[in-house]
Amino acid sequence: NAGVTQTPKFQVLKTGQSMTLQCAQDMNHEYMSWYRQDPGMGLRLIHYSVGAGITDQGEVPNGYNVSRSTTEDFPLRLLSAAPSQTSVYFCASNNRAPIGAGELFFGEGSRLTVL
Amino acid sequence: GIQVEQSPPDLILQEGANSTLRCNFSDSVNNLQWFHQNPWGQLINLFYIPSGTKQNGRLSATTVATERYSLLYISSSQTTDSGVYFCAVMNTGFQKLVFGTGTRLLVSP
Repeated sequence: NAGVTQTPKFQVLKTGQSMTLQCAQDMNHEYMSWYRQDPGMGLRLIHYSVGAGITDQGEVPNGYNVSRSTTEDFPLRLLSAAPSQTSVYFCASNNRAPIGAGELFFGEGSRLTVL
Repeated sequence: GIQVEQSPPDLILQEGANSTLRCNFSDSVNNLQWFHQNPWGQLINLFYIPSGTKQNGRLSATTVATERYSLLYISSSQTTDSGVYFCAVMNTGFQKLVFGTGTRLLVSP
């Protein structure tokens, strides 16, 4: 039972390069989301999805792209990396509760450095 | 949007001591969760507690939704309790979890 799996765990990019952070979950959860964690700022929501084919923006969506073609996968794309995107990225999934979303499960995180 | 404030920002305890962490939020919520981020960066869900009280071993949590706060109690703290504790809430009618900035706990032997 893998839970939420993120790859890669570490990545160094040059300004302007593009890359994709992969996220997969095997819990058949409807909701998936991407957060970034910066020192002193807690976790901020980048994008989220409430089901296959449905995505929406969070607090800090600029510079990131997502898609949700299957229930299991929710990749995060950086189209043209900038130093301000240096951060630790977490993917998460949660199931549906009687009202809204239920308990949240996180992947192990991906540390991205943009030079 | 909804505001989430956690207190205290930092806490240092001797092993065996008890502590209370607080989470205040500015609007009605239908989802509140507590997380522990260990020193290796892993985020673990401690409680899903939009209202009421739950206990899990030495940890317990209480949410008083009508008064817009939640408390996390840690009893007989251990060095493995060190890390950052986050509260996250979801506004009624919205689908986004909003995180507080956390309480950093250090438990010394």
